[in-house]
Amino acid sequence: GNSVTQMEGPVTLSEEAFLTINCTYTATGYPSLFWYVQYPGEGLQLLLKATKADDKGSNKGFEATYRKETTSFHLEKGSVQVSDSAVYFCALSDQTGFQKLVFGTGTRLLVSP
Amino acid sequence: GAVVSQHPSWVICKSGTSVKIECRSLDFQATTMFWYRQFPKQSLMLMATSNEGSKATYEQGVEKDKFLINHASLTLSTLTVTSAHPEDSSFYICSAKLAGADTQYFGPGTRLTVL
Repeated sequence: GNSVTQMEGPVTLSEEAFLTINCTYTATGYPSLFWYVQYPGEGLQLLLKATKADDKGSNKGFEATYRKETTSFHLEKGSVQVSDSAVYFCALSDQTGFQKLVFGTGTRLLVSP
Repeated sequence: GAVVSQHPSWVICKSGTSVKIECRSLDFQATTMFWYRQFPKQSLMLMATSNEGSKATYEQGVEKDKFLINHASLTLSTLTVTSAHPEDSSFYICSAKLAGADTQYFGPGTRLTVL
């Protein structure tokens, strides 16, 4: 079945450091890929998405490229801020039926001043 | 655009009582809504998928008689936790999407505490 694997956290960085959160997936067909962010005590917010191979999703300085050959969708940001501290979820949308989301386990990012 | 609200944001109830959580799409018509449960520091677990005007589809292991889902309109879905017990305490999150779209928009979540 479909699955998403994320690097375990927490990831602890200093402000302005470079961020990479790894995400790989297993899926049949050609799923859409997503990164969602969850701030403490809140629901999930869509951060970015990509719908086909080689697409790059970007938003708020974050970006991720849909790599079909490596089945990856790594999240990157060149310079993190304290306000980026949150939990980041990688997900894929299956292409059958209701297009359910399959989530990774989430990676907590902690950015210190 | 694409705002989803949930009500209440938190609720505390006594064991044995029922609790209803509402999920509304505020600026779009959601043909499909999803209900998730999230345990502390864990990922989201899909409980059920609901389509407007039809019965919800529950994931394996989720008791449909305990977690009643109603999707009566294109902007409202409700989750009722019946005869709640302390083990039902959790963070419940809904999401909504348009027909044919692959992006889900999430509500802010409802924290349920059963005493």
